[in-house]
Amino acid sequence: QVTLKESGPGILQPSQTLSLTCSFSGFSLSTSGICVSWIRQPSGKGLEWLATICWEDSKGYNPSLKNRLTISKDTSNNQAFLKITSVDTADTAIYYCARSFTIAAIFDYWGQGVMVTVSS
Amino acid sequence: DVVLTQTPSILSATIGQSVSISCRSSQSLLDSDGNTYLYWFLQRPGQSPQRLIYLVSNLGSGVPNRFSGSGSGTDFTLKISGVEAEDLGVYYCMQATHAPYTFGAGTKLELK
Repeated sequence: QVTLKESGPGILQPSQTLSLTCSFSGFSLSTSGICVSWIRQPSGKGLEWLATICWEDSKGYNPSLKNRLTISKDTSNNQAFLKITSVDTADTAIYYCARSFTIAAIFDYWGQGVMVTVSS
Repeated sequence: DVVLTQTPSILSATIGQSVSISCRSSQSLLDSDGNTYLYWFLQRPGQSPQRLIYLVSNLGSGVPNRFSGSGSGTDFTLKISGVEAEDLGVYYCMQATHAPYTFGAGTKLELK
């Protein structure tokens, strides 16, 4: 079955770089039509799409985070990654990764989420 | 960015009651390929979101048929025909027609 699991540092300081990993099973990021995305949710608030990477290595980013985001993948090890540079307290949130199988079947499976706190 | 406005923000219902949630878009969500990339998700308390509906009206795998989606252009509706206790949580609409993908602010379904 399809599973995804996020991992991250838990807590980091302002101005540092946040590195997140999405480890998944039950599908491959080399399969045509498969994409993995990152979505975040500040505590008690709504959902914000951050970035997507697809099987052919195309990438999409939310311009609201300007040039702070970098998404990448390791197909051999079934992982996707997200880096966010120059974090501040506004980046404190639960970060989810989610699978899409073509844009029609977008976000059909989600990970459990990982809490990231930015604090000095 | 496309703004999705959900109403109401809070919905109180009794078990068995039928309810509807509205999602209005600031732009038409009809894509040039003929598809409308509008989705509905449910986030139960303490859980990750789960997708209920894709492409306006298609039920996701394993989603009970008391859920239904409708609409076109800029106006969309999620209907629950007979609320059950497991349906409580926050409902979000999301669009993927226009970059960046955006979500509505959510509608909290609670027991009356």
